[in-house]
Amino acid sequence: NAGVTQTPKFQVLKTGQSMTLQCAQDMNHEYMSWYRQDPGMGLRLIHYSVGAGITDQGEVPNGYNVSRSTTEDFPLRLLSAAPSQTSVYFCASSWGLQGKSLDTQYFGPGTRLTVL
Amino acid sequence: AQSVTQPDIHITVSEGASLELRCNYSYGATPYLFWYVQSPGQGLQLLLKYFSGDTLVQGIKGFEAEFKRSQSSFNLRKPSVHWSDAAEYFCAVALGGSYIPTFGRGTSLIVHP
Repeated sequence: NAGVTQTPKFQVLKTGQSMTLQCAQDMNHEYMSWYRQDPGMGLRLIHYSVGAGITDQGEVPNGYNVSRSTTEDFPLRLLSAAPSQTSVYFCASSWGLQGKSLDTQYFGPGTRLTVL
Repeated sequence: AQSVTQPDIHITVSEGASLELRCNYSYGATPYLFWYVQSPGQGLQLLLKYFSGDTLVQGIKGFEAEFKRSQSSFNLRKPSVHWSDAAEYFCAVALGGSYIPTFGRGTSLIVHP
């Protein structure tokens, strides 16, 4: 299994440009989520999905869109990039709640985004 | 809303010394609790997790954590730190509903030789 993959690893954008960060998992996980990591802020949840066709907002959703057309893929779209979106972005997936046990989240390697 | 507090931004220990990283959460019910570690430039790796049962949880790399309901805490411990333990450590909490974890701001561990 490749686990959780993210592309690209690095990206530089100009203010106002749009782009899509790709995330894919081959573990047939239902739950997928996007976090951003900024120094001193930990990981903050942007959007998440509990299954194909179902998405919801996290703590910091503004400026980002997601969709979940398949179980495997969960792309994150930046509509009009701003310098405040300079960050490291992590995608994660898991089985979610299994009986009384919550499955571990598996993280991708991250995408480092710089917006000039 | 659920929240997670890691009071220590940085902790410095000498190699071989014991370690305790603090984590507190704010919610009435018992949440699902996790500790993750992130080495520089890397993704996150799960150290251990707690759902129910024995309040002392053993994890990988010699780490353990103790859930204390009365203190709403889930502190991470290691009896003897190795230089390779230098990393960022994150506590995370998940509750009913989405079950998507909320992360603390992290504690950076520095290990002196």
